[in-house]
Amino acid sequence: GESVGLHLPTLSVQEGDNSIINCAYSNSASDYFIWYKQESGKGPQFIIDIRSNMDKRQGQRVTVLLNKTVKHLSLQIAATQPGDSAVYFCAANRGGTGANNLFFGTGTRLTVIP
Amino acid sequence: DAGVTQSPTHLIKTRGQQVTLRCSPISGHKSVSWYQQVLGQGPQFIFQYYEKEERGRGNFPDRFSARQFPNYSSELNVNALLLGDSALYLCASSTLDTSPQHFGDGTRLSIL
Repeated sequence: GESVGLHLPTLSVQEGDNSIINCAYSNSASDYFIWYKQESGKGPQFIIDIRSNMDKRQGQRVTVLLNKTVKHLSLQIAATQPGDSAVYFCAANRGGTGANNLFFGTGTRLTVIP
Repeated sequence: DAGVTQSPTHLIKTRGQQVTLRCSPISGHKSVSWYQQVLGQGPQFIFQYYEKEERGRGNFPDRFSARQFPNYSSELNVNALLLGDSALYLCASSTLDTSPQHFGDGTRLSIL
């Protein structure tokens, strides 16, 4: 079946360093990908998304890279801050379902060390 | 603007009971999706509704049902509750099928 998996369940970085969270997906038909941040007791918060016709997209302090050849996705956070500490999820659609019907990975817990 | 609002925030039920969870999307959003998030896991897709029609269904039993109202709010119903239904139920809304989904903070359902 379809799966989305993150490479590391936990990641610790020093404040001010850059963070990279990696994700792999299995469905080659997936054409929409998205990253969410989830803090304790809250719902997932949208960070950035990317469609399969792009391989890179930048936001404020964040960059998403998509490698369709190896079905790999990464989220880069520049100058990581304590407020970035949270669980990060990548998700992919089923293919042809737009931004819906998302498969989520199990999440990477990012801890920022002051 | 208010985000996605869900009610109740917490709920305790016993096995065999039925539950209804409610969701109000962000104003102007016509698409509503429901997800189940078990502790330590990522959200799992249950349903999507767009313009009051079901547009997608995940791999959940028929005990799970949902509907969307003319004002785009939505309800998720779960019958014959099982212990394994204990989870955080998340609602997400978006403007279009191609727009990113925005989540509410969920309803924490505990089954005793």
